[in-house]
Amino acid sequence: DAKTTQPPSMDCAEGRAANLPCNHSTISGNEYVYWYRQIHSQGPQYIIHGLKNNETNEMASLIITEDRKSSTLILPHATLRDTAVYYCLQGGNKLVFGAGTILRVKS
Amino acid sequence: DVKVTQSSRYLVKRTGEKVFLECVQDMDHENMFWYRQDPGLGLRLIYFSYDVKMKEKGDIPEGYSVSREKKERFSLILESASTNQTSMYLCATEGSGNTIYFGEGSWLTVV
Repeated sequence: DAKTTQPPSMDCAEGRAANLPCNHSTISGNEYVYWYRQIHSQGPQYIIHGLKNNETNEMASLIITEDRKSSTLILPHATLRDTAVYYCLQGGNKLVFGAGTILRVKS
Repeated sequence: DVKVTQSSRYLVKRTGEKVFLECVQDMDHENMFWYRQDPGLGLRLIYFSYDVKMKEKGDIPEGYSVSREKKERFSLILESASTNQTSMYLCATEGSGNTIYFGEGSWLTVV
């Protein structure tokens, strides 16, 4: 069973920031938070991961709350190509994928 | 960049056929995985391997076997394909920080 909770869908205007929330209230002290996305008919693509500190890379930023029970993935300037299913996961090498959030970026 | 290559993107096989799905990675990663993805069920782990000639069952190993004769290659085998094995199959490898890198997927239809 998936250990994280995400909204089933979200809409975002092109060029605006997309903020995708995730609850992971059962996360343990040494478990990372991972974000992946999957565009239709392709394999999931790694986006970013973090433990306690906020992280940023060329794709996105990850904000983790101080209690580590939730996080937010931020796509700073969403484009139409960011339309995908976004998965938030916790844990090690046996990652469990839930249903994810369908992000629709609209022009 | 990590490259995980699945040799077949689309296959159609008959019930009872033996099916091989091949996966090759170019990053010298030790850990490799096979998942299947079905609508409403998400990704489910079939088998994984921590090293050459080593394999571990995942959550749904029934009807499948695997082979890892070389570090870079991890094969999924359907000994006798059945219609309920129609699915998208994803191979993955594990990099640093437990980050998983996926291939493009293999769409298998069993008729």
